[in-house]
Amino acid sequence: NAGVMQNPRHLVRRRGQEARLRCSPMKGHSHVYWYRQLPEEGLKFMVYLQKENIIDESGMPKERFSAEFPKEGPSILRIQQVVRGDSAAYFCASSPWGGSSNQPQHFGDGTRLSIL
Amino acid sequence: KNEVEQSPQNLTAQEGEFITINCSYSVGISALHWLQQHPGGGIVSLFMLSSGKKKHGRLIATINIQEKHSSLHITASHPRDSAVYICAVGYSLNRDDKIIFGKGTRLHILP
Repeated sequence: NAGVMQNPRHLVRRRGQEARLRCSPMKGHSHVYWYRQLPEEGLKFMVYLQKENIIDESGMPKERFSAEFPKEGPSILRIQQVVRGDSAAYFCASSPWGGSSNQPQHFGDGTRLSIL
Repeated sequence: KNEVEQSPQNLTAQEGEFITINCSYSVGISALHWLQQHPGGGIVSLFMLSSGKKKHGRLIATINIQEKHSSLHITASHPRDSAVYICAVGYSLNRDDKIIFGKGTRLHILP
């Protein structure tokens, strides 16, 4: 499967724990985007990364959230000290070129994060 | 007011009916995207368009830039078309590229 791979599909954490969400982009894609979908809400942009660089993190909360896309390996979205409000579906998308506004994006199946 | 508005929010139709989902936006865009989110949650990109009309199988997407409006049509609808359809607009602002998503239209096709 050469599509965007996200894991885990489902993640359950207790309040205060850390959540790590992984995204492997499509082969040949070096641009990764993370989105959050709250229940009954639309997708919201969080962060845009290119290999080893954060290009735009304007949609990501300033505290507890961080993202990386190392030279080797998947992109990681990390949420520290999770709270109930972090419960959501987190989607990753990738594209071969930058400029999300006019590039087709390929989405993963998402990670459903539940906070107990 | 949301920058991307979709209507209707929910739509139930009989198999075979012609379906129209509408999307209105308030920003100047570089492209408009239509996405499909399956009941299992995965998202598939259906169309990206900046003018005119695109067709893929039974799906047709149109856009009117002057009126800031796009429609997604499904001909000969089938229960497997049941999904959430999401409109998203891409625009550039101060060298930043942004995408804004609508809340989606939940479509249910009855057999």
